[in-house]
Amino acid sequence: NAGVTQTPKFQVLKTGQSMTLQCAQDMNHEYMSWYRQDPGMGLRLIHYSVGAGITDQGEVPNGYNVSRSTTEDFPLRLLSAAPSQTSVYFCASSFLGGPTDTQYFGPGTRLTVL
Amino acid sequence: SQQGEEDPQALSIQEGENATMNCSYKTSINNLQWYRQNSGRGLVHLILIRSNEREKHSGRLRVTLDTSKKSSSLLITASRAADTASYFCATDSRGSTLGRLYFGRGTQLTVWP
Repeated sequence: NAGVTQTPKFQVLKTGQSMTLQCAQDMNHEYMSWYRQDPGMGLRLIHYSVGAGITDQGEVPNGYNVSRSTTEDFPLRLLSAAPSQTSVYFCASSFLGGPTDTQYFGPGTRLTVL
Repeated sequence: SQQGEEDPQALSIQEGENATMNCSYKTSINNLQWYRQNSGRGLVHLILIRSNEREKHSGRLRVTLDTSKKSSSLLITASRAADTASYFCATDSRGSTLGRLYFGRGTQLTVWP
């Protein structure tokens, strides 16, 4: 199993550009989520999904959209990039209601918005 | 906010010493987890402790949970330079969406050879 994969690893955008961060998992996990990690702030939840066709907002959803058309994929779209969105983005997935709630993280995407 | 808070923010020790990190949280939980993050990498799950457990061991890791104080501690015994990383606690929240976790800001552990 590849686990949780994220592309790209690095990205530089100009203010106002849009882009999609890709996330895929091959573990048949129901739950998928996106976090951003900023220095001194820990991980903050952006959006999450409990299954295909179901998404909801986390703590910091503004400026981001998600969709979940398949169990495997959970892309994160930046609609109009702003410098405040410069961060490291992590995708994570887990089973729901299993013996553990362990989340499996991808390697991250480091995004810089100029 | 349910977010856990780790203490201390940074810890620096010599190889062979024990490292203790603490986590406090605000609302009732079903379980608490500890994750590790090496520099520039994603988080990796270390250990989970359920609300009806008081102590759990895994190799050189020992986790305790005190639900009356809403706190947990992670002890790494006989630390090694390879243990250098950031350590995060994560809690769920009773009544919250199944699967949703709340992360603290982490403890940066440095182990000197």
